[in-house]
Amino acid sequence: GAGVSQSPRYKVAKRGQDVALRCDPISGHVSLFWYQQALGQGPEFLTYFQNEAQLDKSGLPSDRFFAERPEGSVSTLKIQRTQQEDSAVYLCASSLFGVDTEAFFGQGTRLTVV
Amino acid sequence: AQRVTQPEKLLSVFKGAPVELKCNYSYSGSPELFWYVQYSRQRLQLLLRHISRESIKGFTADLNKGETSFHLKKPFAQEEDSAMYYCALSGSSYDKVIFGPGTSLSVIP
Repeated sequence: GAGVSQSPRYKVAKRGQDVALRCDPISGHVSLFWYQQALGQGPEFLTYFQNEAQLDKSGLPSDRFFAERPEGSVSTLKIQRTQQEDSAVYLCASSLFGVDTEAFFGQGTRLTVV
Repeated sequence: AQRVTQPEKLLSVFKGAPVELKCNYSYSGSPELFWYVQYSRQRLQLLLRHISRESIKGFTADLNKGETSFHLKKPFAQEEDSAMYYCALSGSSYDKVIFGPGTSLSVIP
C-alpha cells in the first residue's frame, strides 16, 4: 500500500471487553512502533519491533497489553479486559530501519471504552 | 531519564511574523532530535531532524547542547503552518522515539 494502514479507525468497547488493533506497515519496513496518544497529549511509546522481534516493550502500561508481529509484517496490539483509562488514539509507525530513516505513521485507531 | 518538554501548549502568531516553538530535553548522552507535525485531519509526519541540518518548508531547528534545547524557527509564518508540532528525541538509531506534549500553532491571517 501507499502508507501505513491501521484498522479499525474507530473502536468502541465495553469495559472488560478484549480488543485487537491491526497495523499494516509499509512493505519492506523493518521497524514498527506502537504509540498511545491520550487527548491533548503527545504520543507515548508502547513497544517496538525489528522484523518479528519485539526489542522493547517497556512502554506497555500493564500486562493487559500485548503486541505481536509474527511474520515481521502486520502487527496486532491486543488489549485485554479494557478499562476506561485505555481510551486513546493508538498510533502505529514503520520505518525502513531504526530511526535513522523516517518513521511513517498510520492514521491511528481511536479506542473509546465505555 | 529521557524527557521532552514543550512549554507552550498554544501559540498564535500573525501571518508574516516570526515564529519560534520551544523544545527542551533531558538525556544523559547525545540524542537525536526531531520535529514532527500534524496538520488538521492528517497523520503525524516528520518535519525535520537535527542530523540532516536541513530547512523544510522554511523551518529550521538548531540543537543547543548547552541549553539542551531544539527550538523550531521560521522567519515568516504562513497560514498553512497552522498545525500541531511535536518535538521528539531518540537515544540512538535502535531506540524508541520519545515525544513531547506538543504545541498547537495558529497563524492568524
